[in-house]
Parts: sequence; C-alpha cells; structure tokens
Amino acid sequence: AQSVTQLDSHVSVSEGTPVLLRCNYSSSYSPSLFWYVQHPNKGLQLLLKYTSAATLVKGINGFEAEFKKSETSFHLTKPSAHMSDAAEYFCVVSRTGTYKYIFGTGTRLKVLA
Amino acid sequence: EAQVTQNPRYLITVTGKKLTVTCSQNMNHEYMSWYRQDPGLGLRQIYYSMNVEVTDKGDVPEGYKVSRKEKRNFPLILESPSPNQTSLYFCASRDPAGEHYNEQFFGPGTRLTVL
Repeated sequence: AQSVTQLDSHVSVSEGTPVLLRCNYSSSYSPSLFWYVQHPNKGLQLLLKYTSAATLVKGINGFEAEFKKSETSFHLTKPSAHMSDAAEYFCVVSRTGTYKYIFGTGTRLKVLA
Repeated sequence: EAQVTQNPRYLITVTGKKLTVTCSQNMNHEYMSWYRQDPGLGLRQIYYSMNVEVTDKGDVPEGYKVSRKEKRNFPLILESPSPNQTSLYFCASRDPAGEHYNEQFFGPGTRLTVL
C-alpha cells in the first residue's frame, strides 16, 4: 500500500526567506514522487518529479526536492520565496509503472510582504 | 497547443438529474484519469483508463461511471447526482513513455454543485 503525508497544512514565510514544505511517503515498492502546485482558481501544474534517477531533483521556478529513502521523505524547498509562490502544493506518490496516484492533503503556502 | 480540456467548467444541478462532464486531450495519451478535490482531502482518484475500452476504479468510484470509446475522450457520468458529489473535478492524462513519462497533465477543473 502507498500513502503520503504532508506534515503542514499551512506554511507562512516572509518574502525572500527560504521555503520548506514537508512530505513523507510510504510505499512497498519503488516510488515515483511528484510535487504539484495549484494557484487560486487554477489547475495543477507539475513542479518536479522523482523517478529513481538523481535523488536531488530540480524543478521549475527555483524549487527543488530531495528524495531520502532512509527517511521516506521528499521535502520541497526554495531558497527565496516570492509573492507569486503563494499557492497550494501537493505531494504525490505513485508506484513506478502503475496507474494509481495518491495525493497528499496539500500545504497552503502564504508569502508575507 | 497540447492540453486537456473539460466541459463544462461550472455546473449547478439538482439531486438525481443525470449529468456528464466531458474530458478531451490532444496529446495522444493512452492513460486518462478523473479526480475530485475536496477541502482538506487533497485530490482523490475516481476512475482511470489505461487505454481505449480499459478502465478501472480508483479510490472513490461510488456514484460515478466512465467510458473510454476513443483515445482522446474520457467522460465522467453521474447517473443520479447527490449533494455529497459537490466538488471540484479534474481530468488528467499521461504519456506512458518518452520525456514526460509518468507525468500527469491536468485539465482546468469543473466545479460541480449538486443542490
């Protein structure tokens, strides 16, 4: 069975400070992991994905995530937050090569001026 | 432009009145899927389709039907909608090979209200 836990439902940071959104996963198999972003009243956009290649994954808009198998984590980071980063972020796990995707419950990021 | 489209984008209906939400993709993707998004619950998979005429249940299939008669279309059918199906619905497609392997591309969403 697979599951994903986003450890914070809300995160607030000041503009220009680092962002850390935490995600832990559980998977009996080799997982594929994703981060998606959803801006208000918009669809979902892929930020980055891990599919068993490099453990440090770089995505769009300066985001990156590190796959840590020993900690079963896939935390999303960004060195410096921008106002435009305010959105909801979803961590997603899938068993590589299958058709089912499990979404976390989301983390709403607020960026303060 | 490569995209997933959904119609309608907004729908208000009444309990028991059958409705269909259409989903179409122009990327020749074999895999398509439907999700519902509810506050605090993230996205939950309703049904998915691996290819034409091949579908399977996701985590919350009750009250929904799907069909996949052609590769580009994957409609979601609510035969007798109920208020607990009020939600935001997303369709997604995926290319099983190539550069974007395993990535899902999402439609813009359909906000459904059942009174």
